Amino acid sequence: AQSVTQLDSQVPVFEEAPVELRCNYSSSVSVYLFWYVQYPNQGLQLLLKYLSGSTLVKGINGFEAEFNKSQTSFHLRKPSVHISDTAEYFCAVTIITGNTPLVFGKGTRLSVIA
Amino acid sequence: NAGVTQTPKFRILKIGQSMTLQCAQDMNHNYMYWYRQDPGMGLKLIYYSVGAGITDKGEVPNGYNVSRSTTEDFPLRLELAAPSQTSVYFCASSYGGRSEKLFFGSGTQLSVL
Repeated sequence: AQSVTQLDSQVPVFEEAPVELRCNYSSSVSVYLFWYVQYPNQGLQLLLKYLSGSTLVKGINGFEAEFNKSQTSFHLRKPSVHISDTAEYFCAVTIITGNTPLVFGKGTRLSVIA
Repeated sequence: NAGVTQTPKFRILKIGQSMTLQCAQDMNHNYMYWYRQDPGMGLKLIYYSVGAGITDKGEVPNGYNVSRSTTEDFPLRLELAAPSQTSVYFCASSYGGRSEKLFFGSGTQLSVL
């Protein structure tokens, strides 16, 4: 079965600094990978997803992620964060065959400091 | 276009009571899901449905039941509520399968005391 590990539970960063949120997955077969964001008191929203093709995926709000098959990673990056990026970020994985739904990581809380 | 609508937003139950969390979507999505979110634990899948009349268990189905009589509605039933069911519950939907974007409701915060 597939699984996903988010290596940091909390990441504080100053406004306008770059940030990287780390995600590693485990699967013996090919996968689809996702990043979702949850703003306070809201449901989750899709930031970006990797299905196939280019390993660099661009998403909304200036975020991007790179799929690295050899390192089984899908780290999320933003070159310059804003206060409004303060939220919880979830990495998720599913295998491309069969009928297995998404498996979510435990989340990384990004706090942007003014 | 309301998207995914969950009711109620908040609820307090006593141990042993029952209740139904409502979820409706107006996007004609085939797939619907129920997740629970506990602090520091991410989202755990309770049940999901790939279409009207079809439901399947997720990772944590014990203590819950679902039904899917229409494409639009996917209610989650809690029988004999227990403190371990204190959580935030999210309903989600998608048009297709695993490669598709999930649309989430705003959640139901449930406390069992």
